[in-house]
This record gives sequence, C-alpha cells and structure tokens, in this order.
Amino acid sequence: EIVLTQSPDTLSLSPGDRATLSCRATETVTNNFLAWFQQKPGQAPTLLIDDGSYRAPGIPDRFSGSGSGTDFTLTISRVEPEDFAMYYCLQASHAPLSFGGGTRVELK
Amino acid sequence: QVQLQESGPGLVKPLETLSLTCDVSGGSISGYYWHWIRQAPGKGLEWLGFVHHSGTTNYNPSLQSRVTISADTSKSRYSLRLNSVTAADTAMYYCARGAGWTPEFWGQGTLVTVSS
Repeated sequence: EIVLTQSPDTLSLSPGDRATLSCRATETVTNNFLAWFQQKPGQAPTLLIDDGSYRAPGIPDRFSGSGSGTDFTLTISRVEPEDFAMYYCLQASHAPLSFGGGTRVELK
Repeated sequence: QVQLQESGPGLVKPLETLSLTCDVSGGSISGYYWHWIRQAPGKGLEWLGFVHHSGTTNYNPSLQSRVTISADTSKSRYSLRLNSVTAADTAMYYCARGAGWTPEFWGQGTLVTVSS
C-alpha cells in the first residue's frame, strides 16, 4: 500500500500569502495519478487538482499542482479568505487508494 | 448535473451490518467507478472501495473482507455493506463518482454511529 505523508500539518497564513503544501509517497505514483481535495467544515471534499496538475472544472487558477514520482505540491498563489480549509492528497495509481493525513490552512 | 445522495440508518448496533445506499440522479451509472469513502469524527479520509458499472470491485484490505459494494444499474444506485461493525466504524460515509479511479464528485455524506 502506498502511504502518503502531507506536510506541514498546519499552515498559518494571511490573505494574499502564497501557500505551498507537500505530499510525499512511499512509492512512485504512476501516471501522476495524484489528486488534491479541499474540505471545509461540515462539507464533503471537493476535487481541486487531478492527475497531478490539472485543475478540476470551476477551480480558480490560483490553485496549481505540480510534481511527479513520489513528490507532489499544491500551491495557492494568493490565499483568499475562502481558502482556509483542510487539504488532502490522494493517490489513485495503485489499489488500495490512499489519502494523505491532510494539511490545515488556517488564518494567521 | 449529477447528484449523489447517501441514505441508510444513522445508528447501527455493534456486530451488526451497516448498509448504505447511494442514489444517483442526473446521470448514468454506466461508464464510471463508484466509490465509498469514510471519515471518522475529527479524522482524515479513508477509502473503502469501489464498484465499476461492469461489476468489477476493489476493496481496501484494511477492512478484512467485511465490505461489499454492489451496483444496481436498473435503479441508478449502488450500495455499501459493512459487516460486524464496531465503534471504530463510526464515521461520515461518502459516496463518490469517478471517470477513472479518482473519486471526482462526492455526495454530501451520511453519519453512521455504531452504538448499543
């Protein structure tokens, strides 16, 4: 099973700051089948990025994904107030699918 | 726009079977992967498994063969059964759809509590 480790656990930022979230896998995520989700309190997760770097429909371009192999990054170029939330990565290249433990982006 | 709606008992007794249904509206079951994912209170996300419209299934081995996911294409719904539940199975349960293995579109979730 591929284990995903997200860092940092918590990111304390001000609106307008740049956010860099990391997701590291214990094995190569083939075909960049790595996705990023945002989850706000009391809501279901929402897909932000699929296949490592492709924004899902309707996702603002301040969100971007990069990386390959075992190291992936989600970047929010300028954090907006509505971006304070939990973020999870998911690998979908090998069964069982697995999620990272999450990074909380909070208001500084 | 496809909509997914989970339903089922909100309370299940220990050692009994948890059964949930996901009703799919606004789209076909055919051609997609249909997932179940759960989230224990205050915890992260755990993938339980998926069923493809063809009937192919894939489960998380951590559930030790307690889980069954099946699809009823005639009724545009699919189901989750989890046997021999314990308090550790208390969670919000989400159904989700993916064109590939990634669960792209999620229902709002249903909370299941395991307690006597």
